[in-house]
Amino acid sequence: AQSVTQPDIHITVSEGASLELRCNYSYGATPYLFWYVQSPGQGLQLLLKYFSGDTLVQGIKGFEAEFKRSQSSFNLRKPSVHWSDAAEYFCAVDGGSQGNLIFGKGTKLSVKP
Amino acid sequence: EAQVTQNPRYLITVTGKKLTVTCSQNMNHEYMSWYRQDPGLGLRQIYYSMNVEVTDKGDVPEGYKVSRKEKRNFPLILESPSPNQTSLYFCASSLSVTGGYTFGSGTRLTVV
Repeated sequence: AQSVTQPDIHITVSEGASLELRCNYSYGATPYLFWYVQSPGQGLQLLLKYFSGDTLVQGIKGFEAEFKRSQSSFNLRKPSVHWSDAAEYFCAVDGGSQGNLIFGKGTKLSVKP
Repeated sequence: EAQVTQNPRYLITVTGKKLTVTCSQNMNHEYMSWYRQDPGLGLRQIYYSMNVEVTDKGDVPEGYKVSRKEKRNFPLILESPSPNQTSLYFCASSLSVTGGYTFGSGTRLTVV
């Protein structure tokens, strides 16, 4: 069965520092991959997605992610973190049935001044 | 404004009392889904729907029912709620499998 692993439960970075959040997936074919962000008390917002083509995808709020088939990874990156980026981030993969989207357990990002 | 609307936002109920959480989208999306979010467990899919009258079970369907009689609506029904269904619930919709879901604001349910 398809699955998503986010190895880091909680990450703290300093404002202005670079960020990389890890995501590993288990899927037999070329997956559809997504990153979402959830601010405290809010719903989830789609940051970016990958389903084919260029393996480096750009998203909103200055985020990007790179699909690496050989490593079964889809890591999220940002060159310079802002205090407003503090939130929980979720990686997701399609589960093989249309509409079945499987989420990782999330990584909480804290930003130090 | 394009959105997914869930009601109510907060609900406290007693064990065994049937309840329905409504979900409506105004984007003419084919796909709709319900998730529950619990601390340390992330989001787990309850049910999803590919179109009107087409639904399928997600990872945690036990104790829940859904229906998709109209394209825009996808209610979640708890016939006999139990305390282990206390959770934060999200409805979501999508135009396509590659588009990603648009989420509602959530419904926080407490079953006592």
